[in-house]
Amino acid sequence: DAGITQSPRHKVTETGTPVTLRCHQTENHRYMYWYRQDPGHGLRLIHYSYGVKDTDKGEVSDGYSVSRSKTEDFLLTLESATSSQTSVYFCAISGADRANTGELFFGEGSRLTVL
Amino acid sequence: QQQVKQSPQSLIVQKGGISIINCAYENTAFDYFPWYQQFPGKGPALLIAIRPDVSEKKEGRFTISFNKSAKQFSLHIMDSQPGDSATYFCAAGIYSSASKIIFGSGTRLSIRP
Repeated sequence: DAGITQSPRHKVTETGTPVTLRCHQTENHRYMYWYRQDPGHGLRLIHYSYGVKDTDKGEVSDGYSVSRSKTEDFLLTLESATSSQTSVYFCAISGADRANTGELFFGEGSRLTVL
Repeated sequence: QQQVKQSPQSLIVQKGGISIINCAYENTAFDYFPWYQQFPGKGPALLIAIRPDVSEKKEGRFTISFNKSAKQFSLHIMDSQPGDSATYFCAAGIYSSASKIIFGSGTRLSIRP
């Protein structure tokens, strides 16, 4: 395993409530990512981080925010969850410390259900 | 265009047969083509990857074939085994930047014993 821990692994919440997913890494990698996985869509990038307090949007960032105050932690927040955000969320880190080679290591996922 | 189109959506192969999954991309700037394998309840894991300077890469029973002019690439699994049953994702992107990787929609492969 690449030393990536996601929490919670499962969560059921109601529409309109805030939700925060946490990704913790022990690899000291610079780059961290949040993806969502939905049937028929594969994996889509939500947000990514290239360093502490340095983040950028991915292809499906609307309705999501992120924060990275420490190298090891990357938080994904849904300010007001909607049913369309029901998904499996994966955190990933890059495979290298200094150069981003494109290889990704994924966590085991967080399944979120918004009722 | 940034899309990566993957087919088939699902595939059933007899044990010992050849599994073939195809992908096509549009952005000619892509220079990195990885395949990820995902088992139920787990995150995807890198299986094999190819750069466009070669037309084929083989690792054990897994082979990537790459056709730059057609902007297509495929994964071949030789002597398919029940343990290969998983979801496979192709992807395309920029080698120097993982944030530029675009994933296909996935293929659910089942190997029948």
